[in-house]
Parts: sequence; C-alpha cells; structure tokens
Amino acid sequence: DVKVTQSSRYLVKRTGEKVFLECVQDMDHENMFWYRQDPGLGLRLIYFSYDVKMKEKGDIPEGYSVSREKKERFSLILESASTNQTSMYLCASSPGGRTGRDEQYFGPGTRLTVT
Amino acid sequence: DAKTTQPPSMDCAEGRAANLPCNHSTISGNEYVYWYRQIHSQGPQYIIHGLKNNETNEMASLIITEDRKSSTLILPHATLRDTAVYYCIVRVFNNAGNMLTFGGGTRLMVKP
Repeated sequence: DVKVTQSSRYLVKRTGEKVFLECVQDMDHENMFWYRQDPGLGLRLIYFSYDVKMKEKGDIPEGYSVSREKKERFSLILESASTNQTSMYLCASSPGGRTGRDEQYFGPGTRLTVT
Repeated sequence: DAKTTQPPSMDCAEGRAANLPCNHSTISGNEYVYWYRQIHSQGPQYIIHGLKNNETNEMASLIITEDRKSSTLILPHATLRDTAVYYCIVRVFNNAGNMLTFGGGTRLMVKP
C-alpha cells in the first residue's frame, strides 16, 4: 500500500511564526503536491514538485515556499504565519515518470490553526 | 478539464451495491475519468480511473458508457466505512503532475 505521512495531524502556531510541514512518501513516487482545503473552496494547489529540487507554483503560492531535497520528502514552509493560513493542509504524491500513472495518493492532513 | 455532474447525496444499505453516477457530457477524447473519495476529516483517497474500457480493482468497478458521456462507480458490497463524499473528476493524463479539482461530489451514506 502507498503510504503518505505528514508530520502532524494538528498544529497551533502564533501569527508571525515560521511553520514547517513535512510530508514523506514511501513508494518512490516522482511527483509530490501540497494542497490546502477550506470549507466551500475545495482543494487548492499551493506547490508541486515533479523531481528532486524541482518545484512549480500552483494556484495559491503566496506566503508559502517548499523544499524537496530528497525524492521521498516534500516540505511546506510558511515563512511568517498569518491567520488566513488557518486551514487543512494535504500532501499528495503520484507515480509519474515512466510508470504512465498519475493518480494521487494523499496523506491524512494537518489541521493548522494560526492565532 | 471537463465539467462533471453528480447527485448531491445518496443512501445505500450495508451489504448492498452502491452505484454512484456521474455525467460528463463534454468529455474530450483524451480525458480520463477518475474517482476519489473523502471520509470526514481525512485526506482524499484514490479509488479508480479509466479512459473508455470498464475497470475493476479491489475497491470498486468503473463502468463508462460507450459514448463516454457518463460513468458509474460501483462499490459491490458497501460497508459503513464507505460512508464518504465521492468525487468524479475528468482530466487529461499528466505524467509530470497536475492539480486535482474537486466539484461538489456525492455524499454517500451507508446505513445498517
């Protein structure tokens, strides 16, 4: 079974703090994604990566950065957390590469509250 | 990506087959049909996808009509743990990754 794990299920941070969200997948997938999910707004893509050290902006990259130093790990960084970044953050991975498969497998999510 | 239409909610008795319909009348020839689900407070879960042939895996079956304008996801023996929101998505295959966009989905309630 594909396993995507996220470092925390729940996180509470203060405005202005730097926040790190970690995601690890164990299936040697090429592609990794960070989404946020808010009621009424559905899934929104923040960043994705199709290879180590490669990253692409999604629809809402402002206020976020990412890092992919190893294939299995994709980190989301909130440089200076703000209350409008309170959300459910979802990491996903997909096989990509030569597999000919692009279905996405999600982690359990991190519910971040910024106060 | 082509637009999809799903009923907002459905009920199913435990142990019976759950048949979830999806209309995608504007689907293009190179677009696939994907199904995901999301159980409350959990991350979405991939179920199955197909292009034009019917597909089956350990979770479900996907039946796509010959004109590809609609499809049905079948959970053969629904359990209480299948209660979730089910999303039908039509999109072009992208090996380098492509964002997912969920519409309203169908809220399936499996009842004892």
